[in-house]
Amino acid sequence: AQSVAQPEDQVNVAEGNPLTVKCTYSVSGNPYLFWYVQYPNRGLQFLLKYITGDNLVKGSYGFEAEFNKSQTSFHLKKPSALVSDSALYFCAVRDGVKLIFGTGTRLQVFP
Amino acid sequence: NAGVTQTPKFQVLKTGQSMTLQCAQDMNHNSMYWYRQDPGMGLRLIYYSASEGTTDKGEVPNGYNVSRLNKREFSLRLESAAPSQTSVYFCASSERGGSGDTQYFGPGTRLTVL
Repeated sequence: AQSVAQPEDQVNVAEGNPLTVKCTYSVSGNPYLFWYVQYPNRGLQFLLKYITGDNLVKGSYGFEAEFNKSQTSFHLKKPSALVSDSALYFCAVRDGVKLIFGTGTRLQVFP
Repeated sequence: NAGVTQTPKFQVLKTGQSMTLQCAQDMNHNSMYWYRQDPGMGLRLIYYSASEGTTDKGEVPNGYNVSRLNKREFSLRLESAAPSQTSVYFCASSERGGSGDTQYFGPGTRLTVL
């Protein structure tokens, strides 16, 4: 069965510093991987996805993610964090019609 | 272009009451989904509709029914609400339902069952 793991419940980073939110996956076959962000009392917003091709995927709001097949990882990154990036981040993998979500990582960016 | 809309935003029910959560999308998508979000568990698929006229069970369908009213609308019904159904419910849609398709989510309905 497909699965993703987000090993950190919370990540704290100072504004202006680079940020990384970790995700590892376990799939049979080709992985279709997604990152979503959830702001308080809001729905999930799509950030980016990896389907095939270039291992570095660029997405919305300056985020990018690096697909690493040997380490089965798909970490979300941003070169310079903003306070407004503080939110809950979900990694997900496609399993047939459904998305299998990780448990989420809360990102806190401090001024 | 509103994307995916859901009504109501909040609802409180008593055990045994019924209600219908409404979802509509204006992106001309073929596939629609209902998920529930519980603390520490991410989102789990309740039901989905790959195309107009079809519906199928997801991971956690017990206690729910769905109706794909037309291409735009996909409703979720709780016939006899239970406290275990207290959750945040999200509707989503995607263009074709294929593996690389992006699912776009609505703002959610926060449901409390007393």
